[in-house]
Amino acid sequence: QKEVEQNSGPLSVPEGAIASLNCTYSDRVSQSFFWYRQYSGKSPELIMSIYSNGDKEDGRFTAQLNKASQYVSLLIRDSQPSDSATYLCAVRGAQKLVFGQGTRLTINP
Amino acid sequence: DVKVTQSSRYLVKRTGEKVFLECVQDMDHENMFWYRQDPGLGLRLIYFSYDVKMKEKGDIPEGYSVSREKKERFSLILESASTNQTSMYLCASSSISGYNEQFFGPGTRLTVL
Repeated sequence: QKEVEQNSGPLSVPEGAIASLNCTYSDRVSQSFFWYRQYSGKSPELIMSIYSNGDKEDGRFTAQLNKASQYVSLLIRDSQPSDSATYLCAVRGAQKLVFGQGTRLTINP
Repeated sequence: DVKVTQSSRYLVKRTGEKVFLECVQDMDHENMFWYRQDPGLGLRLIYFSYDVKMKEKGDIPEGYSVSREKKERFSLILESASTNQTSMYLCASSSISGYNEQFFGPGTRLTVL
């Protein structure tokens, strides 16, 4: 079992809808969780961090964490074509971050 | 804002050449990392460093070495470049305080012919 798993997609969402991205992790002691956005040909950009169970909102983005079920999700409200990118989930391990393979998201106008 | 810079955006080298990739961060971060990213394989950690002159192997260190002589600078060295090292190379840094968010540089796309 991979340490951090994401559906690779592509996930296609109409403009204005909610995009929902999911991530599961295997290490129960993980404490910090991150979402990165990566446009094609560019480097990953940190967009959300979450450390406690529940929801954390930042603008159109909401990160959700459930440590008991070992999953973390990212919701993007009012999706825009500029949200089309690959989204990487990362979980803090013992000394480093462990990244998922990423989910490719396409927002259709 | 955290700024991580890399010496080149694009680099073309020949098989057998020695290649240096430089990374500099301006936020006084203790931790620095080198990754490579290939289609279908995701981000793979090559080496990381928690302090000056200190290095740790990541998941795929073979064929690479690193150098950290100053806190702000972390270099990746390909001793004898091979075609299978053609890839996007990403440098990142993080602080030991807080939650260890990593911030990435713009990346270097290396092609080995």
